[in-house]
Amino acid sequence: GAVVSQHPSWVICKSGTSVKIECRSLDFQATTMFWYRQFPKQSLMLMATSNEGSKATYEQGVEKDKFLINHASLTLSTLTVTSAHPEDSSFYICSARVADLAKNIQYFGAGTRLSVL
Amino acid sequence: LAKTTQPISMDSYEGQEVNITCSHNNIATNDYITWYQQFPSQGPRFIIQGYKTKVTNEVASLFIPADRKSSTLSLPRVSLSDTAVYYCLVGVGDYKLSFGAGTTVTVRA
Repeated sequence: GAVVSQHPSWVICKSGTSVKIECRSLDFQATTMFWYRQFPKQSLMLMATSNEGSKATYEQGVEKDKFLINHASLTLSTLTVTSAHPEDSSFYICSARVADLAKNIQYFGAGTRLSVL
Repeated sequence: LAKTTQPISMDSYEGQEVNITCSHNNIATNDYITWYQQFPSQGPRFIIQGYKTKVTNEVASLFIPADRKSSTLSLPRVSLSDTAVYYCLVGVGDYKLSFGAGTTVTVRA
């Protein structure tokens, strides 16, 4: 299957700093990538849809100025958590959709554990 | 997006077959049914997808009745490593995936 690489897998930062997470599709081109957040013992929550060459679409309640998304190429999307605070600590997961819109299969990265001190 | 309902948890033993049923009464004509598996601290992994009848791959089988209002994921001869959360999703095309609570499957020795 398609491979999605996410980096870093774990990051610790001080409150007020910014953190960038990268999501790459390794063996396919992804015009659309998605960013999710998952808190302990909870399901995945979609944060935003990232489209190559255009602005991301954010879900209701997600601050676009705090979670900056850039999808500059067909294989790379980045999520930057700006001015991170302890409440932003979570597990962030990206996914990329494989072509064939009728089936909408998404392949996921391994996730990034963010801990804000 | 069609809403899905699946059991919160299931227990099993090694070597047994595990069947997880998902209800999706409002499934649309163009919707596919997709199952994902997630281990702790990892991203979900695509398991299987189907539209109707039966689909089988090296990992699982997916049974879909004619009315498509439900589907059953079958995991043959589970092992301890199959302990995970399993998500059933229904949707198509540009629609965003909406993850429910999933089914936590615990396999015991």
